[in-house]
Amino acid sequence: GAGVSQSPSNKVTEKGKDVELRCDPISGHTALYWYRQSLGQGLEFLIYFQGNSAPDKSGLPSDRFSAERTGGSVSTLTIQRTQQEDSAVYLCASSLGLAGELFFGEGSRLTVL
Amino acid sequence: DQQVKQNSPSLSVQEGRISILNCDYTNSMFDYFLWYKKYPAEGPTFLISISSIKDKNEDGRFTVFLNKSAKHLSLHIVPSQPGDSAVYFCAASPMNRDDKIIFGKGTRLHILP
Repeated sequence: GAGVSQSPSNKVTEKGKDVELRCDPISGHTALYWYRQSLGQGLEFLIYFQGNSAPDKSGLPSDRFSAERTGGSVSTLTIQRTQQEDSAVYLCASSLGLAGELFFGEGSRLTVL
Repeated sequence: DQQVKQNSPSLSVQEGRISILNCDYTNSMFDYFLWYKKYPAEGPTFLISISSIKDKNEDGRFTVFLNKSAKHLSLHIVPSQPGDSAVYFCAASPMNRDDKIIFGKGTRLHILP
């Protein structure tokens, strides 16, 4: 499709397990963002990839969180040893960079039991 | 430290009247501002933007006003329609640098019949 694609759309996991969330950005978009929205909260910045530059990881809440972007396209957000407070909707967005308009995916809803 | 602040978590407006959503920012390096709209279970979608060289940008029923000296912007929707009921996020970024876009916590707008 032409938009940002995220998978899975829903993930239920047990506390302590690892999860991987995938994002397929719009083709040609150089910038890719991960945000999360916890229940009743705003959009919390997690990590930002821009072209070949080193990613801005300043929003990752702990070292259990990591993300990769392979070949400047698909990105995977990995959460190790999940905790209940990790339950949220994880949103991916891409843009042409230079503070261009962001195009969001529909999000991956993570529930940690 | 919240760099983009939306101090009203929610707002109710009568259908047909004007909706005014406010946003304040603290980082003087921000010079590009965006508003996004989010429906439940969907990703945010871009609504309107403004760069710091302007103080007003209008698109149909939506107008964004920027007061740089006060570090304040507002989104006006007139006339308000039932489909405008959503969460509205204010976002900001430096325009000419490869830097991330920061979002506020959002304001939930309810349009009353």
